[in-house]
Amino acid sequence: EDQVTQSPEALRLQEGESSSLNCSYTVSGLRGLFWYRQDPGKGPEFLFTLYSAGEEKEKERLKATLTKKESFLHITAPKPEDSATYLCAVQAMDSSYKLIFGSGTRLLVRP
Amino acid sequence: SAVISQKPSRDICQRGTSLTIQCQVDSQVTMMFWYRQQPGQSLTLIATANQGSEATYESGFVIDKFPISRPNLTFSTLTVSNMSPEDSSIYLCSVGQGGDYTFGSGTRLTVV
Repeated sequence: EDQVTQSPEALRLQEGESSSLNCSYTVSGLRGLFWYRQDPGKGPEFLFTLYSAGEEKEKERLKATLTKKESFLHITAPKPEDSATYLCAVQAMDSSYKLIFGSGTRLLVRP
Repeated sequence: SAVISQKPSRDICQRGTSLTIQCQVDSQVTMMFWYRQQPGQSLTLIATANQGSEATYESGFVIDKFPISRPNLTFSTLTVSNMSPEDSSIYLCSVGQGGDYTFGSGTRLTVV
């Protein structure tokens, strides 16, 4: 069964304190791994799609990496506005094209 | 990326009634997805809606409870039928184009 596990469940950082979020997955053939940011009361906001092991993508203070078993979302020198829930999802190499989500990491960045 | 307009943004409904949620996309898309996000939880896929065919439901979700329409390539509706307090959740539609899967802003449903 395809599965996504995110850790930690919650993370508190001081402004400027870099850290990483983890997304471990098991899937019967990976089509793509997705990272989203979700603010309270809003829909998920697309950040990255990664397709193959070794791939990396960056956007401002965020950098996503992918291996055959997990993905990391690195946050460099975070700011309070980076506070949100970060969701990871996988898409299997089947005909459904559906996304299977992890439970998310709630990030709080204190000034 | 596609832009999605989802309505209503929130509603409070009496148990036993039904609510229809609308999702309008600014471009033609083949697949539309409906998700549920229960309080404090992550997203769970309800069904996939393709234009011109019956929706495909995930385990635990049935058509009688969550009927879906997909009349054209830019529009879909999800109805939550015979509601109970357990149906209180955020309901989201999503579309995918070229590896970018976009979500609507969600409908926050409270059943009393």
